[in-house]
Amino acid sequence: GEKVEQHESTLSVREGDSAVINCTYTDTASSYFPWYKQEAGKSLHFVIDIRSNVDRKQSQRLIVLLDKKAKRFSLHITATQPEDSAIYFCAASNNYAQGLTFGLGTRVSVFP
Amino acid sequence: DMKVTQMPRYLIKRMGENVLLECGQDMSHETMYWYRQDPGLGLQLIYISYDVDSNSEGDIPKGYRVSRKKREHFSLILDSAKTNQTSVYFCASSLNYSGNTLYFGEGSRLIVV
Repeated sequence: GEKVEQHESTLSVREGDSAVINCTYTDTASSYFPWYKQEAGKSLHFVIDIRSNVDRKQSQRLIVLLDKKAKRFSLHITATQPEDSAIYFCAASNNYAQGLTFGLGTRVSVFP
Repeated sequence: DMKVTQMPRYLIKRMGENVLLECGQDMSHETMYWYRQDPGLGLQLIYISYDVDSNSEGDIPKGYRVSRKKREHFSLILDSAKTNQTSVYFCASSLNYSGNTLYFGEGSRLIVV
């Protein structure tokens, strides 16, 4: 089945700088790549996604890039703010009927 | 209001006891999921339900079973809980299974002693 590797387990960034989280996947059939955010002690909520028919998507300060050839996708958080501190999970789906396969998460800490 | 509700939020059980985790959603979503989250292991899919009485095993179904008798309600059952089932369990729902956003509940923390 699909495997998703999230390359950074922790990331520490200065407020205002950018944070980049990289993920790779194994199944060339994967076509849907969402990102979820989990704040301390809370549940996960959706932040942004990208589908395989595009290679870039932006939503406010979040940018997602997809490189299908390298089977890699990344989340860029620009102009980071303290409220961006959380664990971010990437995920991939190669067969929608089997749900999402998640990476292990990246803990992002934004310091002043 | 778009909400996924899990009950109970916290539970302590003895090994061998039965556990019932319940999940409800108010969005008429077709698809519902049960995941567990463990440190170092991320989120692992236990079961997925495509609609009433249409359930499929995920990646780690052993030791679990599910029930979905109404679209808005999805239960996770542990018959004879084991200590390695200590975890945080998340329920989620999506419009359908075709690449849609998952909405997660707040989680149920289960400790098996």
